[in-house]
Amino acid sequence: ETGVTQSPTHLIKTRGQQVTLRCSSQSGHNTVSWYQQALGQGPQFIFQYYREEENGRGNFPPRFSGLQFPNYSSELNVNALELDDSALYLCASTSKEGNREQYFGPGTRLTVT
Amino acid sequence: RKEVEQDPGPFNVPEGATVAFNCTYSNSASQSFFWYRQDCRKEPKLLMSVYSSGNEDGRFTAQLNRASQYISLLIRDSKLSDSATYLCVVTPMDSSYKLIFGSGTRLLVRP
Repeated sequence: ETGVTQSPTHLIKTRGQQVTLRCSSQSGHNTVSWYQQALGQGPQFIFQYYREEENGRGNFPPRFSGLQFPNYSSELNVNALELDDSALYLCASTSKEGNREQYFGPGTRLTVT
Repeated sequence: RKEVEQDPGPFNVPEGATVAFNCTYSNSASQSFFWYRQDCRKEPKLLMSVYSSGNEDGRFTAQLNRASQYISLLIRDSKLSDSATYLCVVTPMDSSYKLIFGSGTRLLVRP
């Protein structure tokens, strides 16, 4: 096991609602990245947090936002949910001072109806 | 053009076979390279990092060719438990640690 945890495991929301997903990083890791994985695709980078600040963002609209806390845990918030937001949301942690290997949590499967 | 391209497969091979996956990437400035393995409905798990000199971990061998922007993974003596999707991953040469994934190659190992 990687030591990266995510909650909740599954979530069903209605179009237009807002959702918050949570991630706890592996001990010793200070950088958290979030990814969206649609069915049949590889994960797509949403954004990354280091020292509580956004440190890189992928091609996602502003309704995708995040936070990182002093204990390095993180949240992903998505506003105004759309049907296409249905996906597996993965967080990955790494150490900025390390070898760039990233370890994933089990993911949150979000279904938007 | 996708930044990382892989043959989606599936590769259907018998137990004990040797199978090779290839991957190409478009950004010549890419800095780090990895292979991840993903089982159905599970998270990706790091299989191995890929170094310019090539590296081996048991039955798995990874190669990187920077001149051709090409990465390979060789699996020898395939086991049933090797059945999974193999994701080729690169990172850009910037301050972020974002991973850029291919769409994956599916491997099915049959008895």
